[in-house]
Amino acid sequence: EVQLLESGGALVQPGGSLRLSCAASGFTFSNYAMTWVRQAPGKGLEWVSAISGGGGRTYYADSVKGRFTISGDNSKNTLYLQMNSLRAEDTAVYYCAKDQATGTPRYGMDVWGQGTTVTVSS
Amino acid sequence: SYGLTQPPSVSVSPGQTASITCSGDKLGDKYACWYQQKPGQSPVMVIYQDSKRPSGIPERFSGSNSGNTATLTISGTQAMDEADYYCQAWDSGTVVFGGGTKLTVL
Repeated sequence: EVQLLESGGALVQPGGSLRLSCAASGFTFSNYAMTWVRQAPGKGLEWVSAISGGGGRTYYADSVKGRFTISGDNSKNTLYLQMNSLRAEDTAVYYCAKDQATGTPRYGMDVWGQGTTVTVSS
Repeated sequence: SYGLTQPPSVSVSPGQTASITCSGDKLGDKYACWYQQKPGQSPVMVIYQDSKRPSGIPERFSGSNSGNTATLTISGTQAMDEADYYCQAWDSGTVVFGGGTKLTVL
């Protein structure tokens, strides 16, 4: 069964850092583009970052560029999101998702995790 | 930056056809996909590459994309289809989501 399991969400103070993890199983992780999407309370989906299959290329939303870093460990079948300089507006449920494409994430996300909650507050 | 526009809400009677639109500049030149999200749950892909249905998605879900508009159509809408729906496309190195449409089945 294809599965994604996020972890690492927590309550963190403004300016702090956090690393989210997404453990993948049931498919060849290195063959697919992967994406982080977040959803603030009561709001819509917001794309955060993506990485091409194999990790050669990374992409970021303007709202997180320079603060967040996406990476993947093919040996552990795990996707990461390092989040630095966190702000209150980063508060959201963070989902990782598998794209159907192998390169750029252009075909849509067919598998989603259950999400992990990040709260940025003092 | 590229934007996708959806109506905030759409209402439909059970058994009728619901149509949800998604507008963006030359959207027809890109692939559009659609996600369904029910309260407290993760999104689920219901349409990809404009009109294809993932395995397990009922045939009543269909999609089209031409010009500046992609459309998700739900034929014979059921109460279980009540949810938020989001369109999404890829443009110039970014994943773009529409603002979402709340489908109410009255």
